[in-house]
Amino acid sequence: DADVTQTPRNRITKTGKRIMLECSQTKGHDRMYWYRQDPGLGLRLIYYSFDVKDINKGEISDGYSVSRQAQAKFSLSLESAIPNQTALYFCATSDPRVAGEQYFGPGTRLTVT
Amino acid sequence: RKEVEQDPGPFNVPEGATVAFNCTYSNSASQSFFWYRQDCRKEPKLLMSVYSSGNEDGRFTAQLNRASQYISLLIRDSKLSDSATYLCVVNEMGYQKVTFGTGTKLQVIP
Repeated sequence: DADVTQTPRNRITKTGKRIMLECSQTKGHDRMYWYRQDPGLGLRLIYYSFDVKDINKGEISDGYSVSRQAQAKFSLSLESAIPNQTALYFCATSDPRVAGEQYFGPGTRLTVT
Repeated sequence: RKEVEQDPGPFNVPEGATVAFNCTYSNSASQSFFWYRQDCRKEPKLLMSVYSSGNEDGRFTAQLNRASQYISLLIRDSKLSDSATYLCVVNEMGYQKVTFGTGTKLQVIP
């Protein structure tokens, strides 16, 4: 079984809808991250969490919110989806001792029409 | 100037060739460095860490040049299966900030 899982894997939604992307991990890592990837822009950090009570904004947090329900679960919400949030979203985890060694989920391809 | 810069490529090389990519970083406080591989529409996967003394893993060699602030990845005897995008990652240890480059695309052709 995969160490980091994401649901759904693909989603098409309409402008204005609320959508939640979920991430679960079995690696036992405290740190979890949400990224989006757009062609030519690389990975951009949306939010990150160092533990259940420590959540931080990344470089592009506007329009997004997160919830860390447990050490193993980190959800990303789009409160009111807009077309420019169409992207590939990745969840990742890391051991705090080596933040640069990150383990990614398979990604969620989100399309907002 | 971007914090981490990579040539987007694509680098088109024949099977068996040797190819090298560089990645420059702007923050001299950066402490640790990594190379990731990303296949099309898949998640990035850690390829190797980059140590100050350089390190080698089979056909792959990673090196760090702190004076000039760049890391490199050398792939020898390229295989078709090496075709992917290679991302460099820079980590500022104290702040725990991790920055991904936008990637260099490699296409190995028969």
